[in-house]
This record gives sequence, structure tokens and C-alpha cells, in this order.
Amino acid sequence: GAVVSQHPSWVICKSGTSVKIECRSLDFQATTMFWYRQFPKQSLMLMATSNEGSKATYEQGVEKDKFLINHASLTLSTLTVTSAHPEDSSFYICSARDPASSYNEQFFGPGTRLTVL
Amino acid sequence: QKEVEQDPGPLSVPEGAIVSLNCTYSNSAFQYFMWYRQYSRKGPELLMYTYSSGNKEDGRFTAQVDKSSKYISLFIRDSQPSDSATYLCAMIGTNAGKSTFGDGTTLTVKP
Repeated sequence: GAVVSQHPSWVICKSGTSVKIECRSLDFQATTMFWYRQFPKQSLMLMATSNEGSKATYEQGVEKDKFLINHASLTLSTLTVTSAHPEDSSFYICSARDPASSYNEQFFGPGTRLTVL
Repeated sequence: QKEVEQDPGPLSVPEGAIVSLNCTYSNSAFQYFMWYRQYSRKGPELLMYTYSSGNKEDGRFTAQVDKSSKYISLFIRDSQPSDSATYLCAMIGTNAGKSTFGDGTTLTVKP
């Protein structure tokens, strides 16, 4: 199957700083990428849908000015958590949709664990 | 009410047992049904997908969809300790770009 990578895999930062997470589709071009967050023992919560070359579509309740998403190329989307606070500590996972898939299959990255001190 | 409801678990079974994981949904527009497995601190990986009603088998795994009842299941035969993970059901409508996920069921298979 297709491979999606994320970087970094984990990050610790101080409160008030910004953190950028990268999501890359390694062997296919992804016109659409998704960003999720997941708290311990909870399911995936979709934060936003990112389409290459256009503004991301944020889910209700997600602050677009706090979680900046950029999808500048067909293989790269970035999520920047601005002015991070301890409550932003979570597991952030991206996925990329393979347009060649007949059923909109999403391939997930390995996730990034963010801890804000 | 959530669009997708998944049996919450956790589920603990002995090695070799048959496991049944289930989800119900309310949106009749869902056409594609997936099961993902997620190990602790990892991203989900796709296990099975089915289109519309019916069964699909892949090794020890069988996915079952009953659209009339809006009910899907994943069966694991001869369960192994390596099957211990959280299992997420997910669904997509024909024209929607995003998947709707269940909350996940954590399975532990004890040797």
C-alpha cells in the first residue's frame, strides 16, 4: 500500500511556542490530506481537510488561526500549532487520500505525539 | 446522536477465540465500509474494506455489511496476541471526501 510519513514522530515544546508537523505522501500524489487529533483511549477527531492549492476546510470547533494548515504541494501538507498550550498536547495523525483508489482510500501516517509543557 | 456507533469494549479474549467487532450507523448514504487496526502510539492501518452489503474474507478476517440493518461487523478467527490493538470502523458516502470513524474497540488477546 501507499506510504505516508510524518515528521517529527514526537515533540516536546514550551507553552507559547509554535510547532510544525509535516505530512508527506511518499509514493503517490495526494490531492487531499486530512488532519486528526486523538486523545488517549479516544477515537480520531477530524480537525481539517486539506486540498492542494486551496485553503483547508476546518471542522466545527477547530480554531483555524491556531491550527494552521498548508498544503503547498501534492505530496506535502503541514500543520502548525501556534502558541501551543498544555491542552494542545495530543497525538496528531495525518492521512492522505490516494486519487487512484476506487473508494477514496486513506493512508495514515504514523502520528506525531505533541507534549506541551 | 453519532452517525457511527461502535461497541465500546474493551474486549479481552483467550488466544484462538473468535472475535466479533461491530458498528451501527445512521447515514444511509454510506457506501464504503472500512476496518482499521491501530496499535498503541501508531497510526491506523487499513485491514478490510467492503462496498455495499455482503461479506468479504481475507485470511482470518471477515468483514460483513448489512445495509438494511445499517450494521457492519469484523470477525477475527483464531485470534492471536498480535491481534491486540484498537479496531476502528469507518465509512464513506459516495461523494464525500472524508471518513466517519467509530470510537474504536480495544481488543486484548491473551496467550
